[in-house]
Amino acid sequence: AQSVAQPEDQVNVAEGNPLTVKCTYSVSGNPYLFWYVQYPNRGLQFLLKYITGDNLVKGSYGFEAEFNKSQTSFHLKKPSALVSDSALYFCAVRVGLMDSNYQLIWGAGTKLIIKP
Amino acid sequence: KAGVTQTPRYLIKTRGQQVTLSCSPISGHRSVSWYQQTPGQGLQFLFEYFSETQRNKGNFPGRFSGRQFSNSRSEMNVSTLELGDSALYLCASSPVRVGTDTQYFGPGTRLTVL
Repeated sequence: AQSVAQPEDQVNVAEGNPLTVKCTYSVSGNPYLFWYVQYPNRGLQFLLKYITGDNLVKGSYGFEAEFNKSQTSFHLKKPSALVSDSALYFCAVRVGLMDSNYQLIWGAGTKLIIKP
Repeated sequence: KAGVTQTPRYLIKTRGQQVTLSCSPISGHRSVSWYQQTPGQGLQFLFEYFSETQRNKGNFPGRFSGRQFSNSRSEMNVSTLELGDSALYLCASSPVRVGTDTQYFGPGTRLTVL
């Protein structure tokens, strides 16, 4: 079955330290992968995506993610965390074999807490 | 450009009632997707409308329905509400079909079923 997993419900990082939020996937074919962030009481905001090309993708707010095909992972990273990065992070992957049945399936979300 | 707007932002209903939620996409966007977000189930795909046609549907009962108008605005309807329908309902718009490009999300409608 096609799926996406975020193995950590919560990640705690001290401000200024590097952060990693993990995402693994299981899909047929070449994956389209996305990261979104949700701040309290707000909708989701797009961070970055991987469709093809360079395995290291750079996105908004200094975030980046590395596509690793052999490990079927797409971990989100940032070299130096800010308190304002504290939010809920979602990984998503496109499934479906043709235009008529594409949809996104989402990980359960990882709560990122950055402590001053 | 104005972002995705959803109305109402908060709604309280009782079991058995029905509810209609509205979503106005970003101007020029033809795809509107709906999601249900709950603490236990995360983000669940409801359906996508593109050019007034439902293109894909998630695994939800027939009580959940939607439509899209010629101006791309979309409505979602839930009939015979159940307690388990309490959730944040998110709408997202995109210029192209879902999964191909970035989706832009609205702030959501918080539905509480009593």
